Amino acid sequence: EAGVAQSPRYKIIEKRQSVAFWCNPISGHATLYWYQQILGQGPKLLIQFQNNGVVDDSQLPKDRFSAERLKGVDSTLKIQPAKLEDSAVYLCASSGQIAKNIQYFGAGTRLSVL
Amino acid sequence: AQSVTQPDIHITVSEGASLELRCNYSYGATPYLFWYVQSPGQGLQLLLKYFSGDTLVQGIKGFEAEFKRSQSSFNLRKPSVHWSDAAEYFCAVGTTQTGANNLFFGTGTRLTVIP
Repeated sequence: EAGVAQSPRYKIIEKRQSVAFWCNPISGHATLYWYQQILGQGPKLLIQFQNNGVVDDSQLPKDRFSAERLKGVDSTLKIQPAKLEDSAVYLCASSGQIAKNIQYFGAGTRLSVL
Repeated sequence: AQSVTQPDIHITVSEGASLELRCNYSYGATPYLFWYVQSPGQGLQLLLKYFSGDTLVQGIKGFEAEFKRSQSSFNLRKPSVHWSDAAEYFCAVGTTQTGANNLFFGTGTRLTVIP
């Protein structure tokens, strides 16, 4: 069984530029999560999707961050415009219906904003 | 509000020695508890979980953890550490609020293993 796929693995941009990350969850997993992990901290949930609907986006900075999961499978997270403090690893995770409390994580995208 | 505290930022142990990583949580109801491990440049891998039942849970790679409700703790242990165990370890509490299954992570403990 393939795991959670994320791309790109690394991205370097200048502040005020835009960037997008892509995630493909484990096949059949209805729930998809995006986390932000700042260096030296634990991951923090940004947004949670159930199929193509948003369940929780209370921690998403909506003035600059957006996310979508149009067909209920893969998802994109966008930052526009980026700030220096957005430098972090962006992790995607998914969970299935049977073991819905177990989240499986991708390798993440490391973003550096200069 | 839920929170997770991992009081040890960095721990160094010798290969073959025993290990205990501390985790304390704050949550009003019975929590779901997890330990994840993160190797450099990698995502998080689930080591073990506690949902209910036996308070001593076994995980992968020889790890175990014990849930102690009276102490609000879920400490991770391993009797003999291997050099490949060097990584960052995260404790997390899972909650179900308004249908969302949220994970709240601690700040992590970095484990260094010396020969």
